[in-house]
Amino acid sequence: AQSVTQLGSHVSVSEGALVLLRCNYSSSVPPYLFWYVQYPNQGLQLLLKYTTGATLVKGINGFEAEFKKSETSFHLTKPSAHMSDAAEYFCAVSVAQGAQKLVFGQGTRLTINP
Amino acid sequence: NAGVMQNPRHLVRRRGQEARLRCSPMKGHSHVYWYRQLPEEGLKFMVYLQKENIIDESGMPKERFSAEFPKEGPSILRIQQVVRGDSAAYFCASSPSAGRSYEQYFGPGTRLTVT
Repeated sequence: AQSVTQLGSHVSVSEGALVLLRCNYSSSVPPYLFWYVQYPNQGLQLLLKYTTGATLVKGINGFEAEFKKSETSFHLTKPSAHMSDAAEYFCAVSVAQGAQKLVFGQGTRLTINP
Repeated sequence: NAGVMQNPRHLVRRRGQEARLRCSPMKGHSHVYWYRQLPEEGLKFMVYLQKENIIDESGMPKERFSAEFPKEGPSILRIQQVVRGDSAAYFCASSPSAGRSYEQYFGPGTRLTVT
């Protein structure tokens, strides 16, 4: 069975600092990995996804993530935090041989300090 | 192209009443998923439907919960005899029918409060 662990339920960084949100997954088959962002009282918006191919994936709003099979990780980074990045971030995994359910991590709430 | 639509956005029910949550997928999408988000938790899969078929309901509670996606009209998640523990945000997502597309597009959610 697949599972996702996000290390740190709360992360706080200063504006302009590096953002690093950690995600580790467990999957018995090659995973498809996703990062979603949720702003207060809104739905989830896809930031980026890894399916196959290049292991460094670039997404929207300057975010990127690197798939590391040996470490079973898919950490999300952004070089310079902006106040508008404050939100909840969810990592998810799908076994995906067709449209399938997503298994989500517990989420990481990102706070940006001015 | 309108996104995934859910209504109502907020729903208040007293214990014992029924809750009906509606989801209209994106145009051209024939796969619908329902997820539940309890306070301070991530999203948990409930059910996956295609038109007129339930494909995977492994995350649905055994009692009081049901879902449908009829040939015409929105997908409905129905909760009978609601209890306080049903209070949560319920999100619907949809994806295209093509096999190689794995991205799910989420609606804004319905926030159910049981009093």
